[in-house]
Amino acid sequence: GQNIDQPTEMTATEGAIVQINCTYQTSGFNGLFWYQQHAGEAPTFLSYNVLDGLEEKGRFSSFLSRSKGYSYLLLKELQMKDSASYLCAVRDSRSGGYQKVTFGTGTKLQVIP
Amino acid sequence: DTGVSQNPRHKITKRGQNVTFRCDPISEHNRLYWYRQTLGQGPEFLTYFQNEAQLEKSRLLSDRFSAERPKGSFSTLEIQRTEQGDSAMYLCASSFQGGYGYTFGSGTRLTVV
Repeated sequence: GQNIDQPTEMTATEGAIVQINCTYQTSGFNGLFWYQQHAGEAPTFLSYNVLDGLEEKGRFSSFLSRSKGYSYLLLKELQMKDSASYLCAVRDSRSGGYQKVTFGTGTKLQVIP
Repeated sequence: DTGVSQNPRHKITKRGQNVTFRCDPISEHNRLYWYRQTLGQGPEFLTYFQNEAQLEKSRLLSDRFSAERPKGSFSTLEIQRTEQGDSAMYLCASSFQGGYGYTFGSGTRLTVV
């Protein structure tokens, strides 16, 4: 099975930088995703890491360390619209070829003026 | 193609009734997933289709739940003899085989009274 841990809530100031951490335990790791989910809406894909290192995409960056079972999502120049839940999800290789994606419980980020 | 479409958006039903939800994935995507999400939690995997074949079903899913994807296009999720514990958001997602990001629909919010 998989175990994914991320903080329940975080608060940050508009214009600042925030780092949301995610730790996981899994067998057959085959990729880590970050999704953004605004209240009452569907999750939207933000980033994907399968190799160690940093992936940058505009104001958002995601980092992965496979040996440590650790990832973080970095949000720069925070805007009020970034207030949302951020879901860490891990994919593992399984027999039969299907690669199941398991989601963490999400980190609710509140951006304040 | 406007993305993944789910109907209805909201459903209120009395305990013991049967309900059926529909998902229309992105037409080029051959993989389709159903997830369930309750308040404050991340999406929980329910089942997965590749084309018309249902390749995996979560142990969380009781015999009251059934899903189909005839002809490998749209999918339906039926819940028989609904219980209050079935109240949740039911999310459908689709992806390419070998793709790494899911595209989620807006979900169907089920309330069992």
